[in-house]
Amino acid sequence: GAVVSQHPSRVICKSGTSVKIECRSLDFQATTMFWYRQFPKQSLMLMATSNEGSKATYEQGVEKDKFLINHASLTLSTLTVTSAHPEDSSFYICSARTSGDSLEQFFGPGTRLTVL
Amino acid sequence: QQQVKQSPQSLIVQKGGISIINCAYENTAFDYFPWYQQFPGKGPALLIAIRPDVSEKKEGRFTISFNKSAKQFSLHIMDSQPGDSATYFCAASPPGRGNTPLVFGKGTRLSVIA
Repeated sequence: GAVVSQHPSRVICKSGTSVKIECRSLDFQATTMFWYRQFPKQSLMLMATSNEGSKATYEQGVEKDKFLINHASLTLSTLTVTSAHPEDSSFYICSARTSGDSLEQFFGPGTRLTVL
Repeated sequence: QQQVKQSPQSLIVQKGGISIINCAYENTAFDYFPWYQQFPGKGPALLIAIRPDVSEKKEGRFTISFNKSAKQFSLHIMDSQPGDSATYFCAASPPGRGNTPLVFGKGTRLSVIA
């Protein structure tokens, strides 16, 4: 299957700092990427849909000023958690579909964020 | 209408046995049904998927059974192995292709014991 990478794989930061997570499609171009958040032993919670060259679409209840998404190219989307607090600690996962008509959605390995 | 209901929440199966996970949906417009396998600390990996015009799809030990009239689909893992112990998510794709996110079930934690 197609490969999606994330960086960093894990990050620990102090409360109040901002953290940027990168999501890259390595062997395909993705006009749309998706960002998920997952709490322990729970399902995937869609945070936002990231569209290349336009503003992201956020799910209800997700603060767009808190979770900044930039999809500047067809292979890179970034999620910045601004002024992180301990309650933002979670597992963040991105995914992408291989093409506009493709049904297959591939996930990155995830980023474990711990805010102290 | 956009929900996918998955059961059971957890499952314990003896090594060599058959693991069965079920999902049900309401939206008849869903047109693609994948299953994902997730190990702790990893992202979900696409395992197998089916379109509604097919009633069954088999890949190795993994089989999807699809019942369009009942709006249900299931994952069968034959000859279950301890290495299959993971969380499994079913999902469904609404129309809209690339910019439409999948709708996920809540997941099933499978433990295969020797």
